[in-house]
Amino acid sequence: EADIYQTPRYLVIGTGKKITLECSQTMGHDKMYWYQQDPGMELHLIHYSYGVNSTEKGDLSSESTVSRIRTEHFPLTLESARPSHTSQYLCASSERPERSGELFFGEGSRLTVL
Amino acid sequence: QKEVEQNSGPLSVPEGAIASLNCTYSDRGSQSFFWYRQYSGKSPELIMFIYSNGDKEDGRFTAQLNKASQYVSLLIRDSQPSDSATYLCAVVPSGGSYIPTFGRGTSLIVHP
Repeated sequence: EADIYQTPRYLVIGTGKKITLECSQTMGHDKMYWYQQDPGMELHLIHYSYGVNSTEKGDLSSESTVSRIRTEHFPLTLESARPSHTSQYLCASSERPERSGELFFGEGSRLTVL
Repeated sequence: QKEVEQNSGPLSVPEGAIASLNCTYSDRGSQSFFWYRQYSGKSPELIMFIYSNGDKEDGRFTAQLNKASQYVSLLIRDSQPSDSATYLCAVVPSGGSYIPTFGRGTSLIVHP
């Protein structure tokens, strides 16, 4: 059973605020990902990590940043939120490379910026 | 050019019918292929994976892979209304990054 947790599940904030979306997994997976998905639209990879101290930008240009100080934790930060950041953010993890396409997703964080 | 292509649908089938979902990919060296199901408002969940040419069956689901033609399909037998969801195809391309590429998904509606 997948054990990957995201907080907060829902967040409504004003423009210009700094926010951090938390993602934690207890499976010991090295690879972790952040995806952005608007309702009814496709997944867009915004960040990923191969392991501790490894972070990479994904296909979608994003003003967010990530860090990977511990294996289990992969937070995403927006320094100054804007209405264009309103979206669903999904965190995922996977284990060793030969099974890298088997992603376990968290329940998501739905962000609304007013 | 999109690397993983899916018809966005919706694909509408009657209850009890076979639903056939298709996916094509551009990277001929791709080695592993995945199907995810995503209910509205929920996160994707993995339902099938296939690594070798041919068919792989799991309950009512069958994944089919044809590397020569660069397509992978998902068949759902005895479709139920609870199968109504968006089905995402994901492919791990060659090149060593092991980052899966997702298609935009096909919406399936199973009507009673």
